[in-house]
Amino acid sequence: AQSVTQPDIHITVSEGASLELRCNYSYGATPYLFWYVQSPGQGLQLLLKYFSGDTLVQGIKGFEAEFKRSQSSFNLRKPSVHWSDAAEYFCAVGPEGGNKLTFGTGTQLKVEL
Amino acid sequence: GAVVSQHPSWVICKSGTSVKIECRSLDFQATTMFWYRQFPKQSLMLMATSNEGSKATYEQGVEKDKFLINHASLTLSTLTVTSAHPEDSSFYICSASGLTAEAFFGQGTRLTVV
Repeated sequence: AQSVTQPDIHITVSEGASLELRCNYSYGATPYLFWYVQSPGQGLQLLLKYFSGDTLVQGIKGFEAEFKRSQSSFNLRKPSVHWSDAAEYFCAVGPEGGNKLTFGTGTQLKVEL
Repeated sequence: GAVVSQHPSWVICKSGTSVKIECRSLDFQATTMFWYRQFPKQSLMLMATSNEGSKATYEQGVEKDKFLINHASLTLSTLTVTSAHPEDSSFYICSASGLTAEAFFGQGTRLTVV
C-alpha cells in the first residue's frame, strides 16, 4: 500500500532563513509526487510536482523539491522564507497521471518575523 | 492549470438535514472526480472516487448511504451528506481529472452541523 510520511508536524523558521520540509514515501511503482500548500480554511494549491526527468523540480513561489529514489524522499526547499509562506504543506503521492492521491499528515510552517 | 469550483464554500446546517456540495470543472471535462475529507489539523482522507456515469467507489470505512455521490455529467459531481450530524462537520475537498489524468482541486467546503 502506498503511504507518505511527513516527519515534522510543526516547523518554525525566521523570515529570510532557508527551509526544508521532509517527505518520505512508499509506493510500489513509479511514484508521481506532489507538494501542496494550504492556507487556513482554503483549498490546496499545487506548488510543484515530479513525474520523471530531472530530479530537481522547480515550483511556484520560489520552492523547489528534489526526488531521491534511493532514499524514497521528496523534500521541499526554499532558500529564503517569507512571512507569507506560513501555511500547511502537504506531500502527496499518486499513480501515473497523479489523480488519486495519498497525502501525508502535513507540516505546519510558522514564520517568525 | 484547470479550474475546479466548489460550492458552497461554507455551510451550516441543522442536525438531521441533508446538505449537497457541488464540484464543477469549469474549463475541462472531468472524467474522474475525487472527494476528500479533512478533519481539523489533519490530512486529507480520500472518501470516494467517481467516474462520470458510473457509481462511485467508496474507500473502506466510508458509509455510502451517508455520503451520496453523483457524477452525472463531465463537469459536475455532487456530494450529499444525508441526515447530517455534528460528527460530519468537516472540510470537504473535491478534485477532478480529465484526459491528462492530473488532479485539480476545488477550494473546499466547510460544513458545520449544529
